[in-house]
Amino acid sequence: KQEVTQIPAALSVPEGENLVLNCSFTDSAIYNLQWFRQDPGKGLTSLLLIQSSQREQTSGRLNASLDKSSGRSTLYIAASQPGDSATYLCAVRPMTTDSWGKLQFGAGTQVVVTP
Amino acid sequence: SAVISQKPSRDICQRGTSLTIQCQVDSQVTMMFWYRQQPGQSLTLIATANQGSEATYESGFVIDKFPISRPNLTFSTLTVSNMSPEDSSIYLCSVRDNTGELFFGEGSRLTVL
Repeated sequence: KQEVTQIPAALSVPEGENLVLNCSFTDSAIYNLQWFRQDPGKGLTSLLLIQSSQREQTSGRLNASLDKSSGRSTLYIAASQPGDSATYLCAVRPMTTDSWGKLQFGAGTQVVVTP
Repeated sequence: SAVISQKPSRDICQRGTSLTIQCQVDSQVTMMFWYRQQPGQSLTLIATANQGSEATYESGFVIDKFPISRPNLTFSTLTVSNMSPEDSSIYLCSVRDNTGELFFGEGSRLTVL
C-alpha cells in the first residue's frame, strides 16, 4: 500500500528565508505528484503538478523536484513571506488505483513565516 | 484552472439529521470527486461522481450514508445522512483536468452535535 510521508510536520522560519519541504512515498509506481497549500479551515489550492516522467516544475517562487526512483519530492519556496504561512500537502496518484481522482495524501507540513 | 463553489461553507447540525452539500463548477468537467478531511487528518476520497450513472464509492463508504447526485457536467451534490459526531469533517469537491491535475473547492465544514 502506498504511504506518503512529509517531514518536518511543522516548520517556522523568519521572513526572507528559503523553505524546503520534503515528501517521500513508498511505491514509485505513480502517475504524478501534486503539491497543495491549505489555509486553516479552507480547501486546497493546487501549487504544482509533476508528471512521473518529469524531474521538476517551477512556478514563480516555487520549485518542486521529483525523484521517482528514490520516492522523493522536494518543494522549495524562495524568499518566504508571511503570506506563505499555511499547511503544505503533497499527494501522489498511484498506478495501483483505477480511480482517476484518487490521490494518496501526506499529513502535511505546517509552515509559519514570521515577519 | 476550474473555479469550484461549494455550499454551505459551514454548518452546525444535530445528530440524526442529514445535510446536502452542493458543488458548482464554472466549466463542464467529466470527473468530479468528493473528499473528506476529518479533524487533524489528511484527505480521503469518498467517491467519484459520474454523470448519468451511480457514483463509484471507495472502500469504507456506502451510498446509503453518502448519496451523491450528478445531474450534469457542472454540478454535483453530496448528502451526509443520519449524521453522528464522527461525521464532523471538512467535505471537499474536486475536479480533474485533462493533464491529471486536481482542483478543490473551498470545502464545507460540518460540525455535528
